[in-house]
Amino acid sequence: ILNVEQSPQSLHVQEGDSTNFTCSFPSSNFYALHWYRWETAKSPEALFVMTLNGDEKKKGRISATLNTKEGYSYLYIKGSQPEDSATYLCAHHGSSNTGKLIFGQGTTLQVKP
Amino acid sequence: DTGVSQNPRHKITKRGQNVTFRCDPISEHNRLYWYRQTLGQGPEFLTYFQNEAQLEKSRLLSDRFSAERPKGSFSTLEIQRTEQGDSAMYLCASSLGGVAGANVLTFGAGSRLTVL
Repeated sequence: ILNVEQSPQSLHVQEGDSTNFTCSFPSSNFYALHWYRWETAKSPEALFVMTLNGDEKKKGRISATLNTKEGYSYLYIKGSQPEDSATYLCAHHGSSNTGKLIFGQGTTLQVKP
Repeated sequence: DTGVSQNPRHKITKRGQNVTFRCDPISEHNRLYWYRQTLGQGPEFLTYFQNEAQLEKSRLLSDRFSAERPKGSFSTLEIQRTEQGDSAMYLCASSLGGVAGANVLTFGAGSRLTVL
Protein backbone atom coordinates (compact mmCIF):
# COMPACT_ATOMS: atom_id res chain seq x y z
CA ILE A 1 0.00 0.00 0.00
CA LEU A 2 1.55 3.28 -1.12
CA ASN A 3 -1.38 5.55 -0.49
CA VAL A 4 -4.16 5.84 2.03
CA GLU A 5 -7.16 3.85 0.85
CA GLN A 6 -10.60 3.63 2.37
CA SER A 7 -13.37 1.17 1.73
CA PRO A 8 -16.15 1.06 1.00
CA GLN A 9 -16.49 4.37 -0.85
CA SER A 10 -20.12 4.66 0.27
CA LEU A 11 -22.52 2.80 2.49
CA HIS A 12 -26.28 2.92 3.04
CA VAL A 13 -27.63 1.34 6.22
CA GLN A 14 -30.85 1.34 8.18
CA GLU A 15 -31.14 3.06 11.54
CA GLY A 16 -30.00 0.67 14.24
CA ASP A 17 -27.59 -1.28 12.02
CA SER A 18 -23.98 -1.54 13.07
CA THR A 19 -21.34 -0.89 10.46
CA ASN A 20 -17.61 -0.67 9.94
CA PHE A 21 -15.16 0.83 7.46
CA THR A 22 -11.54 0.17 6.63
CA CYS A 23 -8.55 2.46 6.22
CA SER A 24 -5.36 1.02 4.73
CA PHE A 25 -2.06 2.89 4.93
CA PRO A 26 1.64 2.29 4.29
CA SER A 27 2.91 0.14 7.16
CA SER A 28 6.55 0.92 6.43
CA ASN A 29 6.34 4.48 7.76
CA PHE A 30 4.01 5.19 10.62
CA TYR A 31 3.67 7.88 13.23
CA ALA A 32 -0.07 8.34 13.73
CA LEU A 33 -3.45 7.58 12.18
CA HIS A 34 -6.29 10.12 12.40
CA TRP A 35 -10.04 9.69 11.87
CA TYR A 36 -12.27 12.65 11.04
CA ARG A 37 -16.02 13.01 10.48
CA TRP A 38 -17.20 15.45 7.83
CA GLU A 39 -20.88 16.30 7.86
CA THR A 40 -22.44 18.09 4.92
CA ALA A 41 -22.03 21.89 5.07
CA LYS A 42 -19.72 21.63 8.07
CA SER A 43 -15.97 21.37 8.65
CA PRO A 44 -14.24 18.02 9.18
CA GLU A 45 -14.01 17.24 12.91
CA ALA A 46 -11.49 15.00 14.60
CA LEU A 47 -12.71 11.72 16.06
CA PHE A 48 -9.53 9.89 17.04
CA VAL A 49 -5.75 10.05 16.83
CA MET A 50 -4.09 6.68 17.25
CA THR A 51 -0.38 6.02 17.58
CA LEU A 52 0.26 2.56 19.03
CA ASN A 53 -0.22 -0.83 17.42
CA GLY A 54 -3.26 -2.44 18.98
CA ASP A 55 -4.72 0.91 20.05
CA GLU A 56 -8.46 0.92 20.49
CA LYS A 57 -10.36 4.15 21.04
CA LYS A 58 -14.02 4.78 21.74
CA LYS A 59 -16.31 7.80 21.63
CA GLY A 60 -19.92 6.98 22.39
CA ARG A 61 -21.13 4.48 19.79
CA ILE A 62 -18.05 4.95 17.60
CA SER A 63 -14.82 3.03 18.11
CA ALA A 64 -11.62 2.46 16.15
CA THR A 65 -8.81 -0.06 16.16
CA LEU A 66 -5.29 0.15 14.77
CA ASN A 67 -2.90 -2.42 13.31
CA THR A 68 0.34 -0.69 12.34
CA LYS A 69 2.17 -3.89 11.37
CA GLU A 70 -0.28 -4.73 8.60
CA GLY A 71 -1.26 -1.13 7.90
CA TYR A 72 -4.98 -0.89 8.60
CA SER A 73 -7.49 0.70 10.92
CA TYR A 74 -11.17 -0.10 11.37
CA LEU A 75 -13.87 2.35 12.39
CA TYR A 76 -17.01 0.83 13.93
CA ILE A 77 -20.36 2.46 14.50
CA LYS A 78 -22.75 0.57 16.75
CA GLY A 79 -26.48 1.11 16.28
CA SER A 80 -26.22 3.73 13.52
CA GLN A 81 -28.42 6.81 13.82
CA PRO A 82 -29.40 9.28 11.08
CA GLU A 83 -27.12 11.88 12.69
CA ASP A 84 -24.17 9.57 11.98
CA SER A 85 -24.64 10.28 8.27
CA ALA A 86 -21.38 11.88 7.14
CA THR A 87 -18.16 11.21 5.30
CA TYR A 88 -15.55 9.51 7.47
CA LEU A 89 -11.95 10.32 6.59
CA CYS A 90 -8.77 8.71 7.77
CA ALA A 91 -5.38 10.41 7.54
CA HIS A 92 -1.90 8.92 7.79
CA HIS A 93 0.91 10.77 9.53
CA GLY A 94 3.97 8.95 8.29
CA SER A 95 6.87 10.39 10.22
CA SER A 96 7.73 12.49 13.24
CA ASN A 97 9.95 14.56 10.93
CA THR A 98 7.00 15.99 9.09
CA GLY A 99 3.61 17.38 9.96
CA LYS A 100 2.19 16.19 6.63
CA LEU A 101 -1.06 14.20 6.87
CA ILE A 102 -2.30 12.28 3.83
CA PHE A 103 -6.03 11.64 3.66
CA GLY A 104 -7.93 8.77 2.12
CA GLN A 105 -10.85 9.42 -0.20
CA GLY A 106 -13.36 8.86 2.58
CA THR A 107 -16.32 6.59 3.23
CA THR A 108 -19.70 8.27 2.92
CA LEU A 109 -22.30 6.82 5.28
CA GLN A 110 -26.02 7.36 4.82
CA VAL A 111 -28.26 6.13 7.65
CA LYS A 112 -31.91 5.82 6.73
CA PRO A 113 -34.51 6.32 9.47
CA ASP B 1 -11.06 31.95 19.91
CA THR B 2 -13.62 31.29 17.23
CA GLY B 3 -11.76 28.47 15.50
CA VAL B 4 -10.25 28.47 12.03
CA SER B 5 -11.65 31.17 9.80
CA GLN B 6 -11.49 31.20 6.00
CA ASN B 7 -12.41 33.96 3.59
CA PRO B 8 -14.06 34.25 1.20
CA ARG B 9 -16.40 31.29 1.59
CA HIS B 10 -17.28 31.31 -2.07
CA LYS B 11 -15.47 32.73 -5.06
CA ILE B 12 -16.57 32.65 -8.67
CA THR B 13 -14.02 33.85 -11.17
CA LYS B 14 -13.28 33.74 -14.85
CA ARG B 15 -10.51 31.63 -16.26
CA GLY B 16 -7.22 33.50 -16.27
CA GLN B 17 -7.98 35.66 -13.23
CA ASN B 18 -6.00 35.55 -10.00
CA VAL B 19 -7.66 34.65 -6.70
CA THR B 20 -6.48 34.81 -3.12
CA PHE B 21 -7.84 32.98 -0.09
CA ARG B 22 -7.12 33.85 3.50
CA CYS B 23 -6.98 31.58 6.54
CA ASP B 24 -6.88 32.69 10.17
CA PRO B 25 -5.89 29.72 12.34
CA ILE B 26 -6.44 29.13 16.02
CA SER B 27 -4.06 31.62 17.63
CA GLU B 28 -1.95 29.20 19.66
CA HIS B 29 -1.54 26.71 16.80
CA ASN B 30 1.89 26.73 15.18
CA ARG B 31 1.04 24.54 12.17
CA LEU B 32 -1.15 25.60 9.29
CA TYR B 33 -2.21 23.39 6.40
CA TRP B 34 -3.82 23.92 3.00
CA TYR B 35 -5.77 21.12 1.35
CA ARG B 36 -7.86 20.95 -1.83
CA GLN B 37 -10.95 18.80 -2.06
CA THR B 38 -12.91 17.90 -5.17
CA LEU B 39 -16.15 15.95 -5.43
CA GLY B 40 -15.83 12.35 -4.35
CA GLN B 41 -12.25 12.72 -3.21
CA GLY B 42 -10.63 13.21 0.16
CA PRO B 43 -8.67 16.34 1.05
CA GLU B 44 -5.54 16.53 -1.12
CA PHE B 45 -2.45 17.91 0.61
CA LEU B 46 -1.11 21.16 -0.87
CA THR B 47 1.29 22.60 1.68
CA TYR B 48 1.90 23.22 5.36
CA PHE B 49 3.68 25.75 7.55
CA GLN B 50 5.25 25.53 10.95
CA ASN B 51 5.17 29.07 12.26
CA GLU B 52 6.22 31.20 9.26
CA ALA B 53 8.28 28.47 7.56
CA GLN B 54 6.74 26.58 4.64
CA LEU B 55 8.04 23.11 5.42
CA GLU B 56 6.49 21.02 2.69
CA LYS B 57 4.80 21.62 -0.61
CA SER B 58 3.06 19.08 -2.82
CA ARG B 59 4.49 18.39 -6.25
CA LEU B 60 0.93 18.83 -7.41
CA LEU B 61 1.19 22.49 -6.53
CA SER B 62 2.12 24.13 -9.78
CA ASP B 63 3.96 27.42 -10.12
CA ARG B 64 0.59 29.13 -10.33
CA PHE B 65 -0.04 28.37 -6.66
CA SER B 66 1.72 30.17 -3.85
CA ALA B 67 1.11 30.24 -0.13
CA GLU B 68 2.49 32.52 2.53
CA ARG B 69 2.33 32.86 6.29
CA PRO B 70 4.41 35.98 6.81
CA LYS B 71 4.16 36.42 10.56
CA GLY B 72 3.32 32.91 11.57
CA SER B 73 -0.31 33.82 12.08
CA PHE B 74 -2.73 34.08 9.13
CA SER B 75 -1.95 32.56 5.76
CA THR B 76 -2.87 33.34 2.17
CA LEU B 77 -3.16 30.98 -0.78
CA GLU B 78 -2.96 32.65 -4.17
CA ILE B 79 -3.81 31.01 -7.47
CA GLN B 80 -2.62 32.87 -10.54
CA ARG B 81 -4.12 32.51 -14.02
CA THR B 82 -6.89 30.25 -12.79
CA GLU B 83 -7.98 27.27 -14.88
CA GLN B 84 -11.26 25.37 -14.77
CA GLY B 85 -9.43 22.45 -13.16
CA ASP B 86 -8.73 24.65 -10.15
CA SER B 87 -12.42 24.57 -9.22
CA ALA B 88 -12.52 22.90 -5.82
CA MET B 89 -13.00 23.44 -2.10
CA TYR B 90 -9.83 24.84 -0.52
CA LEU B 91 -9.57 23.79 3.09
CA CYS B 92 -7.34 25.33 5.73
CA ALA B 93 -6.53 23.58 8.99
CA SER B 94 -4.31 24.33 11.95
CA SER B 95 -2.78 22.24 14.71
CA LEU B 96 -0.49 22.34 17.68
CA GLY B 97 2.36 20.38 16.16
CA GLY B 98 5.28 18.68 17.81
CA VAL B 99 3.57 15.79 19.56
CA ALA B 100 1.76 13.10 17.55
CA GLY B 101 -1.23 12.90 19.79
CA ALA B 102 -1.59 16.67 19.82
CA ASN B 103 -1.33 17.15 16.05
CA VAL B 104 -5.10 17.08 15.67
CA LEU B 105 -6.23 19.24 12.78
CA THR B 106 -8.92 21.83 13.28
CA PHE B 107 -10.45 22.72 9.93
CA GLY B 108 -12.03 25.88 8.66
CA ALA B 109 -15.28 25.85 6.71
CA GLY B 110 -13.41 26.03 3.41
CA SER B 111 -13.35 28.39 0.46
CA ARG B 112 -15.19 27.10 -2.59
CA LEU B 113 -13.72 28.22 -5.89
CA THR B 114 -15.60 28.05 -9.17
CA VAL B 115 -13.68 28.94 -12.31
CA LEU B 116 -15.88 29.69 -15.31
